[in-house]
Amino acid sequence: DQQVKQNSPSLSVQEGRISILNCDYTNSMFDYFLWYKKYPAEGPTFLISISSIKDKNEDGRFTVFLNKSAKHLSLHIVPSQPGDSAVYFCAAITGNTPLVFGKGTRLSVIA
Amino acid sequence: KAGVTQTPRYLIKTRGQQVTLSCSPISGHRSVSWYQQTPGQGLQFLFEYFSETQRNKGNFPGRFSGRQFSNSRSEMNVSTLELGDSALYLCASSQRGGANEKLFFGSGTQLSVL
Repeated sequence: DQQVKQNSPSLSVQEGRISILNCDYTNSMFDYFLWYKKYPAEGPTFLISISSIKDKNEDGRFTVFLNKSAKHLSLHIVPSQPGDSAVYFCAAITGNTPLVFGKGTRLSVIA
Repeated sequence: KAGVTQTPRYLIKTRGQQVTLSCSPISGHRSVSWYQQTPGQGLQFLFEYFSETQRNKGNFPGRFSGRQFSNSRSEMNVSTLELGDSALYLCASSQRGGANEKLFFGSGTQLSVL
């Protein structure tokens, strides 16, 4: 039973355009959501997070939106840069349970 | 501050063998978690240790085990290796393993089982 779903395995975007990565979850108890970015041969690195009491969090070019009623969150990258090409993982947590990750979306930003 | 260090980076084993992977967390971090990453399955939680005690365990068979030492370093062991155990094994640390704490990941150990 997959509690965090990233239904798009891959996404290609032109440099300078907006990248939108989507994530759906099924567990309504999740109260904190995170995005991690992973380059090949490296471990994932934390990108941005959002608490369930908010609907938007922004950090530079990265914005995460949370729609609790739809159990959906998205990561917007504006403008997209070639260095953003990586695998992006959505993750969620509640209480002291471990982070639950999605399967990831591979973003390719084309120059 | 040094990051999370995992050794070795690469391992090749044959079916039936056992393997031990090592993880040194960031200095001061007492929580260590292990994840398995396979193509198409994302990151799947194995277990978490805090102050030498296993605090959480994922849905993996008993062949997968771990431990944590008093200096917070952690090891995981996989016995009787199967082909399906081929994966990238990632270790992550945080200060207390609290719900809203960021995890800091190592670069992983790539295990190939032949």
